[in-house]
Amino acid sequence: AQKVTQAQTEISVVEKEDVTLDCVYETRDTTYYLFWYKQPPSGELVFLIRRNSFDEQNEISGRYSWNFQKSTSSFNFTITASQVVDSAVYFCALKVSGTYKYIFGTGTRLKVLA
Amino acid sequence: EPEVTQTPSHQVTQMGQEVILRCVPISNHLYFYWYRQILGQKVEFLVSFYNNEISEKSEIFDDQFSVERPDGSNFTLKIRSTKLEDSAMYFCASTPGYSYNSPLHFGNGTRLTVT
Repeated sequence: AQKVTQAQTEISVVEKEDVTLDCVYETRDTTYYLFWYKQPPSGELVFLIRRNSFDEQNEISGRYSWNFQKSTSSFNFTITASQVVDSAVYFCALKVSGTYKYIFGTGTRLKVLA
Repeated sequence: EPEVTQTPSHQVTQMGQEVILRCVPISNHLYFYWYRQILGQKVEFLVSFYNNEISEKSEIFDDQFSVERPDGSNFTLKIRSTKLEDSAMYFCASTPGYSYNSPLHFGNGTRLTVT
């Protein structure tokens, strides 16, 4: 069975600090896909980034970066120089190849204080 | 940019009543989903739908739930006899389906309140 764990329930940082959100996943499959979504206070779910299990490099996109460690089954997400507008709930999600279901973690609420 | 639209944004119904939540997925997408989120909690998979049939469903999606694509654009979720615990935000989503790593494109959700 597949599972996604986001152990951090809530994180508070001061604006301009860097913040890392943790995600640990479980699957026995060798091909799978990982995603991060943002849910701002307005409630919609916004896709941020994705990662394939067979990708080799970690990447940076603007203020976002992610660290995929297959050895520890982790897919952590970092926001550099956080801003108040980054305040939201962030969800990590897993999809296994050949299935239709995207499995979400319980989310981490990020509060960025001015 | 094309988007998934959901109506209504808020639905209030009495326990035991039937309710239909409506969604218009992105036009060239082939896979459709319903998820729900009980207030402040995790986003839970209900059902996926492809080629006019259910491709996968969760244990939450029991006989009280059904989905339908009645025409070429709408995708509906019906709850036959609502319970208090059905109160949640229901999200519709779609993907193009041409690659396994396509992200879900979500609508803004319908907040269902069962009284």
